[in-house]
Amino acid sequence: GAGVSQSPRYKVAKRGQDVALRCDPISGHVSLFWYQQALGQGPEFLTYFQNEAQLDKSGLPSDRFFAERPEGSVSTLKIQRTQQEDSAVYLCASSLLRGPYRDTQYFGPGTRLTVL
Amino acid sequence: AQRVTQPEKLLSVFKGAPVELKCNYSYSGSPELFWYVQYSRQRLQLLLRHISRESIKGFTADLNKGETSFHLKKPFAQEEDSAMYYCALAGGTSYGKLTFGQGTILTVHP
Repeated sequence: GAGVSQSPRYKVAKRGQDVALRCDPISGHVSLFWYQQALGQGPEFLTYFQNEAQLDKSGLPSDRFFAERPEGSVSTLKIQRTQQEDSAVYLCASSLLRGPYRDTQYFGPGTRLTVL
Repeated sequence: AQRVTQPEKLLSVFKGAPVELKCNYSYSGSPELFWYVQYSRQRLQLLLRHISRESIKGFTADLNKGETSFHLKKPFAQEEDSAMYYCALAGGTSYGKLTFGQGTILTVHP
């Protein structure tokens, strides 16, 4: 079946622009994660959704970052007034279960954001 | 705070040689540890998890709580093993929020 998809795959923004990054998780997956991966670094956690509820947003770097998953499926990560330090690959991952079972996270291909 | 350290950014071996990718972690509780792999032009994917105690593509990893390590090993490397490898830890939450290391690029020469 289809895996996690993300769009756009590449985004170039001018400093100060707002951007919206989309994630389509695997159908039926309850959990959805966003990670940020700067060049040469491992992915870093941004936020977590269980269905439509955002249960953890401790990794969002500033109040310019906002994520939503209103119907418990597709999720959007929005970055307002982009800065050069926001340039990174943004990864979305989904997993089937919730609760104490840490099942496999399936990653999307990522969106590479470049802020000029 | 939890942390994952992969001390080698680059590792080169010849085909057929043993390979070991190092991973050390810092976490006060009982962690779950994973190895993820990213082949060229592909997405990040799970290679193995310590709780399964399985061998995938000939790779194994043993959790050593005394040394807080989870090194990835393969006795005979293959060219198709060339990839970026990330060690990751899930701890402190019920839903599996991952903390990743910086990654090691493995190159297997023919």
